[in-house]
Amino acid sequence: GAVVSQHPSRVICKSGTSVKIECRSLDFQATTMFWYRQFPKQSLMLMATSNEGSKATYEQGVEKDKFLINHASLTLSTLTVTSAHPEDSSFYICSARSLAGGEADTQYFGPGTRLTVL
Amino acid sequence: AQKVTQAQTEISVVEKEDVTLDCVYETRDTTYYLFWYKQPPSGELVFLIRRNSFDEQNEISGRYSWNFQKSTSSFNFTITASQVVDSAVYFCARALSGNTPLVFGKGTRLSVIA
Repeated sequence: GAVVSQHPSRVICKSGTSVKIECRSLDFQATTMFWYRQFPKQSLMLMATSNEGSKATYEQGVEKDKFLINHASLTLSTLTVTSAHPEDSSFYICSARSLAGGEADTQYFGPGTRLTVL
Repeated sequence: AQKVTQAQTEISVVEKEDVTLDCVYETRDTTYYLFWYKQPPSGELVFLIRRNSFDEQNEISGRYSWNFQKSTSSFNFTITASQVVDSAVYFCARALSGNTPLVFGKGTRLSVIA
């Protein structure tokens, strides 16, 4: 149990386009999901906390108008990178808190989405 | 921010050697959780262990073992008889609860050489 999926796994886009990344909890419900970003050879840095049915909470320095987060259901959160630029190229990983599936109160991570902006 | 420090950036060992990955954390809280994740080259984060602050028992799972010492704020991870498949980046992380985000260390890149 406690599987989190992300789609797409890899995306290459032109500068100026928008990219949507989906994060799904497959076998459990998640009221809270987190979005992290990882640049090459660096650690994961939290971008935002996504709460079902309410606005996301963004970390300092993360532009909420650029990184749109929607958590419309208990199993799906989406991150849209609007007007992507090369500096947005990164590995984006979501996590979801498991209430019951797997080990309770543990966050399980999706497989990540590698975004390359040309 | 309360940091998680993984002082070892990269470690190389020969297969079958034991290796310990260090993790030191800062916290002003009495209740918190500590984690270890493995990130192989594919990028996916693999959950290894979660430990809450009230449980200082060491844990062993196969070739993996963890030593939690609150007195030194450390949560070290040992791989016994390392294998090439253990090669990955290992992250130590801390959270206040399941509802709060993880604060990650910078990771330790482990290379196990055949």
